[in-house]
Amino acid sequence: DSGVTQTPKHLITATGQRVTLRCSPRSGDLSVYWYQQSLDQGLQFLIQYYNGEERAKGNILERFSAQQFPDLHSELNLSSLELGDSALYFCASSVKSLAPDTQYFGPGTRLTVL
Amino acid sequence: QKEVEQDPGPLSVPEGAIVSLNCTYSNSAFQYFMWYRQYSRKGPELLMYTYSSGNKEDGRFTAQVDKSSKYISLFIRDSQPSDSATYLCAIPNTGGFKTIFGAGTRLFVKA
Repeated sequence: DSGVTQTPKHLITATGQRVTLRCSPRSGDLSVYWYQQSLDQGLQFLIQYYNGEERAKGNILERFSAQQFPDLHSELNLSSLELGDSALYFCASSVKSLAPDTQYFGPGTRLTVL
Repeated sequence: QKEVEQDPGPLSVPEGAIVSLNCTYSNSAFQYFMWYRQYSRKGPELLMYTYSSGNKEDGRFTAQVDKSSKYISLFIRDSQPSDSATYLCAIPNTGGFKTIFGAGTRLFVKA
């Protein structure tokens, strides 16, 4: 158990809908990262927050947004969902904001868009 | 050219075999190199990390870095069925915010 929690574990929804994925980092970790993992794309970095502020953006679509709250939990919002958004979404946390730093991954949320 | 390249496999070996997993990278400024292991339906977990060139050993696992060739390897000795997982190389963009992950190699160790 990494200490990072993600909810829900599974999410099934329809195209065009909006969903929110939630992540609670390990106690003491200030950085939260979001990743998307699909079979053909591998682990793709989406976005990083550090202590409430956005620090880095990766391949995140405009339909996706995230935030980190004062209690350090984070939410990833996915809107206007498409079939291609079906994937595993991982949250990871670390102590620091700069690389290199060990990232601890949560168990993931499996999103299925029908 | 991708910053980090990794053969996705799958790689199937008999129990007890020596396994070699590899990645190549393009940026000669990279200094830290990590290996994550991901079991099916789980999140990745850090297995080992190394700094600069050379070898690092941890039990049955050895991480090797050849900066001149921009080539990193993970060796697993006496492989076990419990080693069956996906292994991802990961390279932190030192001084930046991003860690770049390889595509991951799926390993199957047959009993």
